[in-house]
Amino acid sequence: RKEVEQDPGPFNVPEGATVAFNCTYSNSASQSFFWYRQDCRKEPKLLMSVYSSGNEDGRFTAQLNRASQYISLLIRDSKLSDSATYLCVVNMGGGGFKTIFGAGTRLFVKA
Amino acid sequence: DVKVTQSSRYLVKRTGEKVFLECVQDMDHENMFWYRQDPGLGLRLIYFSYDVKMKEKGDIPEGYSVSREKKERFSLILESASTNQTSMYLCASSFGEERTDTQYFGPGTRLTVL
Repeated sequence: RKEVEQDPGPFNVPEGATVAFNCTYSNSASQSFFWYRQDCRKEPKLLMSVYSSGNEDGRFTAQLNRASQYISLLIRDSKLSDSATYLCVVNMGGGGFKTIFGAGTRLFVKA
Repeated sequence: DVKVTQSSRYLVKRTGEKVFLECVQDMDHENMFWYRQDPGLGLRLIYFSYDVKMKEKGDIPEGYSVSREKKERFSLILESASTNQTSMYLCASSFGEERTDTQYFGPGTRLTVL
């Protein structure tokens, strides 16, 4: 089983739609969580951190469910510019270093 | 703005050649990383460094080595390139002792080994 799993998609949605991605992680000791966005042929960039209390940034909402070991990303009112691959990232933290990137979920927003 | 630069965007090498990939960051970050990204596999950590001259193996260090002589520069070396090292190579840096801080990525080097 992969340490971080995402549905690769692609998700094809019309402009204005609401779309949600989930990501599951296997290690219950994981400490911090992030969503990164990667445009085609570009480098990943931080989209948002994910906190236990959930957090919202404009049209984007991220949530963490520690009991079930998954994080989610909700995008409301999708724009064409949201088309990208969304990477789930899990950090172990602590004394060692362990950051695991998911393989990504591809989103296409159509006019 | 954090800036992470990589020496080449595209590189084509032959099997057996020694390959150097350079990465420079301008934000005085402590930590630097080298990943490779392959379709369906996501980013996999090759090596990271948390200080000058310090390095630690990541998940897939075989066939690679690294060098960090200056804080701002982290080099990845393929001692004898092989076709299975054809990939996108991404360098990243982060600031902080917790090693859980946001990572800032360079634009990537797409390496093809023939």
